[in-house]
Amino acid sequence: SQTIHQWPATLVQPVGSPLSLECTVEGTSNPNLYWYRQAAGRGLQLLFYSVGIGQISSEVPQNLSASRPQDRQFILSSKKLLLSDSGFYLCAWSQGRLRDESPLHFGNGTRLTVT
Amino acid sequence: KNEVEQSPQNLTAQEGEFITINCSYSVGISALHWLQQHPGGGIVSLFMLSSGKKKHGRLIATINIQEKHSSLHITASHPRDSAVYICAVRERDTGNQFYFGTGTSLTVIP
Repeated sequence: SQTIHQWPATLVQPVGSPLSLECTVEGTSNPNLYWYRQAAGRGLQLLFYSVGIGQISSEVPQNLSASRPQDRQFILSSKKLLLSDSGFYLCAWSQGRLRDESPLHFGNGTRLTVT
Repeated sequence: KNEVEQSPQNLTAQEGEFITINCSYSVGISALHWLQQHPGGGIVSLFMLSSGKKKHGRLIATINIQEKHSSLHITASHPRDSAVYICAVRERDTGNQFYFGTGTSLTVIP
């Protein structure tokens, strides 16, 4: 069966510090991978998505970056966090376009507080 | 303009009531998803549908592709149904992007 792991679950970081959130998927190959951010009381905002190793699409200009070093690994990073980066970050995966009726599976999320 | 609009934003119901949450979308889609987010933050997929109707226990989801509208119904609501319900669509052109509604926060009172 397929599973998605995202860590850490919570993180408190000072302004200006670096960030690395990791997400891995098991039990599938060549998934589409996504990073979303959910600010308090707001909907999910797509940050990055990837359809393959090394292929990253960015939706929102920001001081965050994403990388996909392996097929089932997706990393969200920042060199210097801003206060506005606080939020709830969710990793998700689905099958690619050829399987449009694939569900969207979410990790448990990381609650990031930048102080 | 949001690609996906949900209503209502907030909903309070007495236990046992029949509940309807609506979703309208403006883009071409290959599938529509109903998601549930509990207070802890985790999101689970309830339904994925591209036509017609699906039923799982007390939950029913319908979609009208011509009208670009979907509804999620909860029959005999229970306090454990309290959660945020999110409508999401998978856009048809590339199939790589999902658009989300802002969610409907449901509270079921015993």
